[in-house]
Amino acid sequence: EIVLTQSPGTLSLSPGERATLSCRASQSVTSSYLAWYQQKPGQAPRLLIYGASSRATDIPDRFSGSGSGTDFSLTISRLEPEDFAVYYCQQYGSSQWTFGQGTKVEIK
Amino acid sequence: QLQLQDSGPGLVKPSETLSLTCTVSGDSISSSSYYWGWIRQPPGKGLEWIANIYYSGSTYYNPSLKSRVTISVDAFKNQFSLKLRSVTAADTAVYYCAVSGSNYRNFDYWGQGTLVTVSS
Repeated sequence: EIVLTQSPGTLSLSPGERATLSCRASQSVTSSYLAWYQQKPGQAPRLLIYGASSRATDIPDRFSGSGSGTDFSLTISRLEPEDFAVYYCQQYGSSQWTFGQGTKVEIK
Repeated sequence: QLQLQDSGPGLVKPSETLSLTCTVSGDSISSSSYYWGWIRQPPGKGLEWIANIYYSGSTYYNPSLKSRVTISVDAFKNQFSLKLRSVTAADTAVYYCAVSGSNYRNFDYWGQGTLVTVSS
């Protein structure tokens, strides 16, 4: 089973700042199978990035994903008030889906 | 566009079986384009993948839950279902149904989630 470790656990930033979230895998992940989600309180997660770097439908271009192998990242270039939320990475491999434990982006 | 609607009892007694159903609209559950799945989230915690099923009937389970879980499809009703046996308080969570595309294996669409509490 591939374990995903996200860091930091919490990121305290101000609107307009840049956020960089990390997702590290215990084994190499096929880039096509690495995704990022945003979740706000009381809501289901929303797909942001798939295939490590492709934005999902209607996702603003301030969100970008990158990485390969065991190290992936999600960058929010300029935080908008609606971006403060919890973010999860997710991978598929060896007939298993797994999620990271999440990074909370909070207002400083 | 796919839409998912999950349903089921909000309260289950310890040692009993949790049963949830997800109704799919917008496409056929027999499509080869999708894996249909369940994910849960205990209160205040992160997401945990439970199981997926492909249109062919192939099933995929989280090893930590495999002995207690069954996922199945009802093509006539365009629904898929989850059964989790011998539940305990640790199984209290919001349960989401979701669909994963066969190309990228991410969860594109999600149901609204059902809070299931395990309590006597």
